[in-house]
Amino acid sequence: NAGVTQTPKFQVLKTGQSMTLQCAQDMNHEYMSWYRQDPGMGLRLIHYSVGAGITDQGEVPNGYNVSRSTTEDFPLRLLSAAPSQTSVYFCASSYRTSGGISSYNEQFFGPGTRLTVL
Amino acid sequence: DAKTTQPTSMDCAEGRAANLPCNHSTISGNEYVYWYRQIHSQGPQYIIHGLKNNETNEMASLIITEDRKSSTLILPHATLRDTAVYYCIHGGSNYKLTFGKGTLLTVNP
Repeated sequence: NAGVTQTPKFQVLKTGQSMTLQCAQDMNHEYMSWYRQDPGMGLRLIHYSVGAGITDQGEVPNGYNVSRSTTEDFPLRLLSAAPSQTSVYFCASSYRTSGGISSYNEQFFGPGTRLTVL
Repeated sequence: DAKTTQPTSMDCAEGRAANLPCNHSTISGNEYVYWYRQIHSQGPQYIIHGLKNNETNEMASLIITEDRKSSTLILPHATLRDTAVYYCIHGGSNYKLTFGKGTLLTVNP
């Protein structure tokens, strides 16, 4: 299994440009999410999805759109890039165990996309 | 928000046990404690999680106090490759984790 893959690894945009960060997983995980990490900070949740066709907002959703048309893919779209969106973006996937107390196991993170907006 | 308190940084000698503390006084009864680490600029890596009982896996041990307001991650024999930022998180659903700034663990030769 390739796990969680992200493309591109690096991207430079000009203010106002739009682009899509790609994320794919081959583990048949139900749950996928996008985080951003600014220098010296922890990760902040942007959007997440609990299954194909279902998405919801996280802590910092403004300026980003997502869709989940398949289990495998969860792209993140920047509508009109701003310098404040310069960050490292991580995609993650997870699965839910069955039975007993509701428990979501480990999240698998991709290698990240380093985005600079000029 | 699910907030935890961790030391900003810690040092450990190679081969010795690294004990990383975490306070999570706002944890609710059905929330798990999760530990992740992030090596350099890579994506975070899951280490371990637990609810009430102590847990152990091939990477580490997790000790949770009886009142569940704090926990300790133990790396039994730290190596240079364990140098990383360690995040302690609590939450009821893994896919909505709130990461703080974590503890930078530096393992020294």
